Amino acid sequence: SQKIEQNSEALNIQEGKTATLTCNYTNYSPAYLQWYRQDPGRGPVFLLLIRENEKEKRKERLKVTFDTTLKQSLFHITASQPADSATYLCALDPQGNTGKLIFGQGTTLQVKP
Amino acid sequence: EPEVTQTPSHQVTQMGQEVILRCVPISNHLYFYWYRQILGQKVEFLVSFYNNEISEKSEIFDDQFSVERPDGSNFTLKIRSTKLEDSAMYFCASSERAGGYNEQFFGPGTRLTVL
Repeated sequence: SQKIEQNSEALNIQEGKTATLTCNYTNYSPAYLQWYRQDPGRGPVFLLLIRENEKEKRKERLKVTFDTTLKQSLFHITASQPADSATYLCALDPQGNTGKLIFGQGTTLQVKP
Repeated sequence: EPEVTQTPSHQVTQMGQEVILRCVPISNHLYFYWYRQILGQKVEFLVSFYNNEISEKSEIFDDQFSVERPDGSNFTLKIRSTKLEDSAMYFCASSERAGGYNEQFFGPGTRLTVL
């Protein structure tokens, strides 16, 4: 069956450290992956998109990698801050061109001062 | 900065009643979506809409659901006869272009509670 899996356990890290979140997928061949941030009671907010032919994408303190062989994307936040505390969602479009996003269940990150 | 807005923020209804959830997408966007998130669960795709037609819908989006763009700015989701299991947060989203290469802008959501 098709699955997108993120670590459902919360990730607790100390301020200033790098947070690494994992997204694994099964039985999809996505042309890209998207990462979103969701705060409690709020809608997802787009962060980054990475295409299958890109190994890595950066935006300020954020970095995403995409390994189509491992069927995995890693999301890194460097120099993490308490304000980075949120749930981070990965998403893909199974057909690549419809905009129908399938989301993982998200990983909650808690950054402690 | 332009944003997607949704009303109401919270809707409480009795089982079997009809509800209409409203959204105003970003003005130059052409593609519209509804998602839902049951408490503690994943964000789930319901439907996408372009050029006054449904482009794609999920198995959740059965005959009880309908969408409409009644004018140039609003995009609505109607649930004809609500069930207890329809209780969820409903998010509207829009994008400038089609396809997953484009980011989607989500609204703040409407929390629907069915009693």
